[in-house]
Amino acid sequence: GNSVTQMEGPVTLSEEAFLTINCTYTATGYPSLFWYVQYPGEGLQLLLKATKADDKGSNKGFEATYRKETTSFHLEKGSVQVSDSAVYFCALIGSGYALNFGKGTSLLVTP
Amino acid sequence: GAVVSQHPSWVICKSGTSVKIECRSLDFQATTMFWYRQFPKQSLMLMATSNEGSKATYEQGVEKDKFLINHASLTLSTLTVTSAHPEDSSFYICSADSWETGGDYNEQFFGPGTRLTVL
Repeated sequence: GNSVTQMEGPVTLSEEAFLTINCTYTATGYPSLFWYVQYPGEGLQLLLKATKADDKGSNKGFEATYRKETTSFHLEKGSVQVSDSAVYFCALIGSGYALNFGKGTSLLVTP
Repeated sequence: GAVVSQHPSWVICKSGTSVKIECRSLDFQATTMFWYRQFPKQSLMLMATSNEGSKATYEQGVEKDKFLINHASLTLSTLTVTSAHPEDSSFYICSADSWETGGDYNEQFFGPGTRLTVL
């Protein structure tokens, strides 16, 4: 079946540091890949997505590249801000509508 | 952007009682709504998928008689936890998607979640 594995947090960074959150997946076929973000007290929001191999999703300074050869979709940002503090979820959709989520990675950015 | 609300945001109930959680799409019509359950420091687990006017499709291991889902309109789905017990305490999250968003993927829009505590 489909599954997503992402690095465990919490991750604590200083403002302007470089961020990487690793995500690998197992799926049959060619899934679509997503990063969702959950800010405190809010619902999950789609951060970025990639629907085929070598696609790069980007939004708000975050990037992730769909790497089929390594079955990975690592999230990166060159310079994090305090406002980026949130929980980040890697997810995939295989066949059908169901999203398979990773366990989430909590990020805390300190001034 | 599309907004999904949930009510209540948190609820505490006694063991054996039933609790209803509402999920509404506020500014769009939802073709499909989803109910997830999230345990602390765990992933979101899909419980069921519902389409307006039809019976929900439950994931393996989810008791459909315990978690009643009704999707009576294109903007409202309800999850009723019947005869709740402490092990049902969890964070319940709904999402809704819409053909209006188009493209190669119907984006799911998530509600803020409902914290259920069963005493």
